Amino acid sequence: GAVVSQHPSRVICKSGTSVKIECRSLDFQATTMFWYRQFPKQSLMLMATSNEGSKATYEQGVEKDKFLINHASLTLSTLTVTSAHPEDSSFYICSATGFSPLHFGNGTRLTVT
Amino acid sequence: GQQVMQIPQYQHVQEGEDFTTYCNSSTTLSNIQWYKQRPGGHPVFLIQLVKSGEVKKQKRLTFQFGEAKKNSSLHITATQTTDVGTYFCAGASSNTGKLIFGQGTTLQVKP
Repeated sequence: GAVVSQHPSRVICKSGTSVKIECRSLDFQATTMFWYRQFPKQSLMLMATSNEGSKATYEQGVEKDKFLINHASLTLSTLTVTSAHPEDSSFYICSATGFSPLHFGNGTRLTVT
Repeated sequence: GQQVMQIPQYQHVQEGEDFTTYCNSSTTLSNIQWYKQRPGGHPVFLIQLVKSGEVKKQKRLTFQFGEAKKNSSLHITATQTTDVGTYFCAGASSNTGKLIFGQGTTLQVKP
């Protein structure tokens, strides 16, 4: 089946630094990837839609200058959390679809100290 | 904007009892998907429903899609401890195609 690889699985960083998260579709081409954020015991909230070769589409309330998304190829999308703050600590998860349904990566747990 | 409401938020059952979670969308959906997330894990796709009134079964799990394509349910018969986790519905908007997740129902099963 379709596999989505996300890296790193866990990251701890200091406040003010930037963190890059990678999302790769391993056995299919993903023209569209989605980035979700999940706080503890809460649902997945769509942050942005990443389209290969074009600018990402951000959901309302998500700062595009803070959460930089790059979808440079059909198999790779990256999310960079810039100038991270403790309130950015969360579980970030990407998904990719060539066809519905979504296939999720394993997620990245970000802790900002 | 589109909202997907899911109830209940939590459910504790004795092993062997049945369990149902319900999902309602504020808008008509093109399809609805169900995912299961174990503690510490990522969501895993269970099933997709596309047709109005569709019913699908996976062993002890029964999934239904409403006639109006705005609601759905997941029913588990005779729960087992392996059913523990959070079940999310996710509705794909007919207008935008975006997948919006419900709040999830966390199932605890007492052995």
